[in-house]
Amino acid sequence: GQNIDQPTEMTATEGAIVQINCTYQTSGFNGLFWYQQHAGEAPTFLSYNVLDGLEEKGRFSSFLSRSKGYSYLLLKELQMKDSASYLCAVMDSNYQLIWGAGTKLIIKP
Amino acid sequence: IAGITQAPTSQILAAGRRMTLRCTQDMRHNAMYWYRQDLGLGLRLIHYSNTAGTTGKGEVPDGYSVSRANTDDFPLTLASAVPSQTSVYFCASSEAGDGNQPQHFGDGTRLSIL
Repeated sequence: GQNIDQPTEMTATEGAIVQINCTYQTSGFNGLFWYQQHAGEAPTFLSYNVLDGLEEKGRFSSFLSRSKGYSYLLLKELQMKDSASYLCAVMDSNYQLIWGAGTKLIIKP
Repeated sequence: IAGITQAPTSQILAAGRRMTLRCTQDMRHNAMYWYRQDLGLGLRLIHYSNTAGTTGKGEVPDGYSVSRANTDDFPLTLASAVPSQTSVYFCASSEAGDGNQPQHFGDGTRLSIL
């Protein structure tokens, strides 16, 4: 079967750095997406990786290792507004997104 | 403002009733999707459409039907609602169904079946 694993919940301090990990086992691979979802709102797109390595976009970076079936989302200079759930999703061989359950990130002052 | 509009925002429905969730996008995206999101689970794909006139089944299609008569609209119908269909339903779209384009989401419909 297809599986996406990510931690259920993480806590970090305002101004710090946090890394949210995602491991996957899917039927084929056509890219990995990270989304942010604030409570009660729609998911919004953060990043896309299809090749190994690090993609940086402002305070957010995303890393991919296809051989290890592993990705992480790195958030720097954390702000209170970063409190949200972060969803990892992999596009499989049928170009369908397989979603993890999400990591709820709690930011403390 | 361009985007995806879902209606209704929320609904309480008696079991056995028929219900259609509406979804409209104005981005001229070819592909559209319906997901359900339940606590502790990832988004699960119900049905999708890669282009107007075509639809496909996702991971959890039973009890749901869709149509795609034109590019903009992608309604989801529950023919006879059951309590296990209580969930938050998200409609999404992307430029194409077979590429690396991100999916854009509507604000969701919170549906409770009693």
